[in-house]
This record gives sequence, C-alpha cells and structure tokens, in this order.
Amino acid sequence: KQEVTQIPAALSVPEGENLVLNCSFTDSAIYNLQWFRQDPGKGLTSLLLIQSSQREQTSGRLNASLDKSSGRSTLYIAASQPGDSATYLCAPNRDDKIIFGKGTRLHILP
Amino acid sequence: DGGITQSPKYLFRKEGQNVTLSCEQNLNHDAMYWYRQDPGQGLRLIYYSQIVNDFQKGDIAEGYSVSREKKESFPLTVTSAQKNPTAFYLCASSISGDRLSLELFFGEGSRLTVL
Repeated sequence: KQEVTQIPAALSVPEGENLVLNCSFTDSAIYNLQWFRQDPGKGLTSLLLIQSSQREQTSGRLNASLDKSSGRSTLYIAASQPGDSATYLCAPNRDDKIIFGKGTRLHILP
Repeated sequence: DGGITQSPKYLFRKEGQNVTLSCEQNLNHDAMYWYRQDPGQGLRLIYYSQIVNDFQKGDIAEGYSVSREKKESFPLTVTSAQKNPTAFYLCASSISGDRLSLELFFGEGSRLTVL
C-alpha cells in the first residue's frame, strides 16, 4: 500500500528565503505526481504535475523535481513571500489511486 | 470561468438526517471524485466516477451514496449510517480517469457539522 510522507510537517521562514519541501513515497511505480496548495478552509489548488518520465517541472518561482527510483519529490520555492503561506500537499498517482500526504504547513514571516 | 462549484459551503445537520452535497463542473471532464478531509489526516477517497451512470467505491464509502446522471454533476449524500460525518468534503474532477493522464482539479469544499 502506498504511503506518502511529507517533511517537515510545519515550517516558518523569513520572507525572501528559498526553501525546499520534501515528499517521499513507498511505491515508486507511479504514473505522475501532483503538488497542491491549500489555504485554510479552502479547496486544493494544483501547482505542478510531473509525469513519471520527467525529472522536474517549473512554474514561476516554483520548481518540483521527481526521483522515482528513490521515491522522492521536492518542491522548491524561490524568494518566498507572505502570500506563499499555506499547506502544501503532494499526491503520487499509482494504479488510478492518488494517495495524499498530510502536507507541510508553511508560514512566511513578513 | 471554468471550474468546479460545491454547495453549500457550510452545512449543519442533526443526527439521523441525510444531507446531500452538490458538485457541478463545467470543465467537460469525464471523471469526478469525492474526498473527505479530517484534521491531521490526508485526503481519503469516498467515491469516484469515470463516466456517466457509473461509479465506484473508494476507501471509505460506508455511509455515503452518490449518483452520476449527468456529466457535469456528481452529488454526494451523507446518510444517517455514516458514524462520524463531521468533516470537510472536497469534490474533484479530471479530464479522464485514465491512469496515465490523471490530474485532479478541486472545488472549494463543503464543511459539514453534525450537531
């Protein structure tokens, strides 16, 4: 059974810093992996989708990498801003089942 | 604007009552999903539908029911048989249910509280 772990569970950093969020999964035979953002009391917003054949995907200040063989993905946020404060979730897709991590709660200090 | 609309945003229910949560999408997506989110836990799949008039149970289907009579609509009924229904419910859709191209888009969620 796929298990997804996100470390750290919570993170507070000063505005302007670059940061890395980690996601690990136990079953590496995935088709793709999606990163989401969730604001308090809101739905999930899709940030990036990485196909299993890709190593990374970029959107603005966000860069996500995927290492299937080691069961890891990272989300890199450059030049963090207070508006980046949210919970970030990763979700690998394996056999039609998308399993979600519990997320990393990010707080950017102004 | 294209998107997924969930209603109501907040809902209160007395014990023993059934309630129905609405999910409508105008993205022309084939597949639709219902998830439940509880504090400290990841999202858990309740039901999903890959095509009209067909749906499958997810990991926690007991006490819930769904229908898929129209492509754009996938309502979820929380029945009185659901022992712990207080939660945040999220509806999602994907262009197709094909495993190779599965990419989820979510609505804003519905928060159900049982009094």
